[in-house]
Amino acid sequence: DSGVTQTPKHLITATGQRVTLRCSPRSGDLSVYWYQQSLDQGLQFLIQYYNGEERAKGNILERFSAQQFPDLHSELNLSSLELGDSALYFCASSDRQRGDYEQFFGPGTRLTVL
Amino acid sequence: GIQVEQSPPDLILQEGANSTLRCNFSDSVNNLQWFHQNPWGQLINLFYIPSGTKQNGRLSATTVATERYSLLYISSSQTTDSGVYFCAVILFSGSARQLTFGSGTQLTVLP
Repeated sequence: DSGVTQTPKHLITATGQRVTLRCSPRSGDLSVYWYQQSLDQGLQFLIQYYNGEERAKGNILERFSAQQFPDLHSELNLSSLELGDSALYFCASSDRQRGDYEQFFGPGTRLTVL
Repeated sequence: GIQVEQSPPDLILQEGANSTLRCNFSDSVNNLQWFHQNPWGQLINLFYIPSGTKQNGRLSATTVATERYSLLYISSSQTTDSGVYFCAVILFSGSARQLTFGSGTQLTVLP
């Protein structure tokens, strides 16, 4: 168990809908990262937050947004869903104060868009 | 951006065999991690190894940062070692600390 939790584990929805994925980092970790794993694109970085502030963006679509709350949990919002958004979405966290950036991953949320 | 290449893409072994997985990266990196993705999709940390050599049981890893590659050794493989092995690197850029992943090595260990 990495200490990173994600809910829900599975999500099935229809095209055009909106969903919210939730992540709680390891205790004390201030950085949260979101990644998408799809069959055709592999594991890709979406967005990074540090203590509530956005720090870096990757290949994140405009239909997707995220935020990190004062209690450090994070949510990834996916809207106007398309079939191609079906993927495994991972959240990871790291602790800069340890002096490294080793990332630990949650179990993922498997999103299926029908 | 930085490129990460893993080889071989697929590997089939008999239980008890040894193997070496390779990760090449296109630029100097600040961090490097190896992960095992099990059949249930979970990403499990194996090593955090920006340079040098580390060992954990039957697994060991070596990163030669100056030559831009890392190796993961699996000895006396077991069926539970099956899954996909990913190498991922971080190149610090401003405040960005994201991992860039290779495409993975799919390992199948046969009983």
